[in-house]
This record gives sequence, structure tokens and C-alpha cells, in this order.
Amino acid sequence: NAGVTQTPKFQVLKTGQSMTLQCAQDMNHEYMSWYRQDPGMGLRLIHYSVGAGITDQGEVPNGYNVSRSTTEDFPLRLLSAAPSQTSVYFCASSYFGGRNNEQFFGPGTRLTVL
Amino acid sequence: AQKVTQAQTEISVVEKEDVTLDCVYETRDTTYYLFWYKQPPSGELVFLIRRNSFDEQNEISGRYSWNFQKSTSSFNFTITASQVVDSAVYFCALSEVAGNQFYFGTGTSLTVIP
Repeated sequence: NAGVTQTPKFQVLKTGQSMTLQCAQDMNHEYMSWYRQDPGMGLRLIHYSVGAGITDQGEVPNGYNVSRSTTEDFPLRLLSAAPSQTSVYFCASSYFGGRNNEQFFGPGTRLTVL
Repeated sequence: AQKVTQAQTEISVVEKEDVTLDCVYETRDTTYYLFWYKQPPSGELVFLIRRNSFDEQNEISGRYSWNFQKSTSSFNFTITASQVVDSAVYFCALSEVAGNQFYFGTGTSLTVIP
């Protein structure tokens, strides 16, 4: 059981570039989510999904897209990177609903946008 | 409005001292869930505890204890006889039955000085 995996671990982008942060889980969890962590801000929800084919916006969705074609994978796309998107990104998963179950977090991706 | 408030940004204690981390939450739901997570310097997020709104019993796990008080909307976390390995950022989180989102506080950075 690998749990929640994220790739890459580190990434440097130039302003305007696009990229996809990968997230996968092997626990058959229905609920998956993406957070960004910034100093003094805690973790803020970007997007989440309650199952394959279903996604919804969280607190800070602008500039990010997601899709959920399979239960296992939940990639996060940055369409046109901006310095304000410099952050540490965490993917998480949990059993259905997410609201009453602990979330399992991936190791994070540290993204720098120049 | 902030749904989860962790007013203590940073705390330093000397090893073996007791320390309490405060968490105040805000919700209109009668059914909700509260969580604590630990983020050690290595960066991963570790689940510590989940509590539902109908269970106000305090919980103890080794040196860790949690005090849930609905009357004051607080879910405080106490570490007894702190150790250097307790040095980490601790996050309190809330999820509401009505939604599918987690709300994290901004975290409390605890440093235990040997």
C-alpha cells in the first residue's frame, strides 16, 4: 500500500508556464482533495472530488483545474503559472464524504513560480 | 469568517513542561467533526484525532489529551511532559455534515527546547 503519492516533489516554473501536479491513491478512497499551504495561512482547499467524474471548487480555486477520470487519480493543473501560486501543494484522500473521516495526505509538492 | 481559529501562532516550552494548543471553531451545523493534525519538520501531515460533535468526552492517548467543549466551541489539545519530538506545527480542522470541505486553522508552531 503506497497510500497517497504525489509527483513531482519539487518544481520550478516560469510565469505563464503550465504544468500538472500528479496525485494517486491506492486505498480506493472516493474523496480526494487538493490543498495549498502558505506561511501563516494554514491549508486552504483548492478543489475536491467525491468520486470519479465529480469535482467541485474549494476556497481558492482560481488558476487551477482538476479532473477525476478514475478513482485513483486526481491531477491538479496550473493553466498559466503566476508567482502567487508559489506554495506547497498537498493532495489528500479519504473514504466517502470526507467530512467525517480522516484524510490521508501525500508528501507534498513544493512549487516555485519565478 | 474564519471557521477555525488557532490564535497561538508560535509556542516555545522547555522539555517536560505541559503545553495546551487552543482551537476555536465556528459552525451552524449541529453535526460536525473536529480533527487535529501534526506536521513535523519533515513536512508530512499526520492525523492525530477525530471527534464528532455528539461526543464531548475528553480523550487521552498517552501524553496527548483533547478537551472538547461545545459550550465554548473549543477543541483544545494538551501535551503532557513535552518532548523534543513534539516540535511541529499542529493544525486543527473542522468538517461539516452539510458540506464536503475541510476547514483548517492557520496552525500553531510548537518548539520544545531541550
